[in-house]
Amino acid sequence: DVKVTQSSRYLVKRTGEKVFLECVQDMDHENMFWYRQDPGLGLRLIYFSYDVKMKEKGDIPEGYSVSREKKERFSLILESASTNQTSMYLCASSLNMNVGQPQHFGDGTRLSIL
Amino acid sequence: QKEVEQDPGPLSVPEGAIVSLNCTYSNSAFQYFMWYRQYSRKGPELLMYTYSSGNKEDGRFTAQVDKSSKYISLFIRDSQPSDSATYLCAMDTGRRALTFGSGTRLQVQP
Repeated sequence: DVKVTQSSRYLVKRTGEKVFLECVQDMDHENMFWYRQDPGLGLRLIYFSYDVKMKEKGDIPEGYSVSREKKERFSLILESASTNQTSMYLCASSLNMNVGQPQHFGDGTRLSIL
Repeated sequence: QKEVEQDPGPLSVPEGAIVSLNCTYSNSAFQYFMWYRQYSRKGPELLMYTYSSGNKEDGRFTAQVDKSSKYISLFIRDSQPSDSATYLCAMDTGRRALTFGSGTRLQVQP
């Protein structure tokens, strides 16, 4: 079974802090994704990566950056946290670039910005 | 207008009922369709995965795709309290990312 592990289940940070969310997958997947999930809005794609050191913007990249130095690890960075970034953050991975690959999710990080 | 529309619910049914969950979409380029189940405080887990129109069955679950109507459904037979969760439909955009519905919350009453 694919395992996607997010380093923190709950995180509380202050406005203006730089925040790092970490995600690791153990199935040698090429693609990794970061989403945020908000009530009534569903899952919205922030960034994704299809290879080491490669990244593409999703639908809502503003205020975020990402890092993928190793294939198994994908980090989401909030450069200067703001209260509107309080949300559930979900990391996912999929096998490769072929169309139609299902994504496998971690259990999420519930981030609160005070 | 959202690309994928899904009724948020909650949908409450008695144990043993047949449940029908639905999504409509507007992008005719979608080719792959998925259903995810998400329990409270957990990440979404892949439940069903279909390609093109037609039905796919897996145990008590049946996924149905009608591309001519841009409509997909998930049926759950003999529903159990353990099926209580939020169900998300998802569709492939062809750019290696998925477009998700906002989810339907299902409650199965014992």
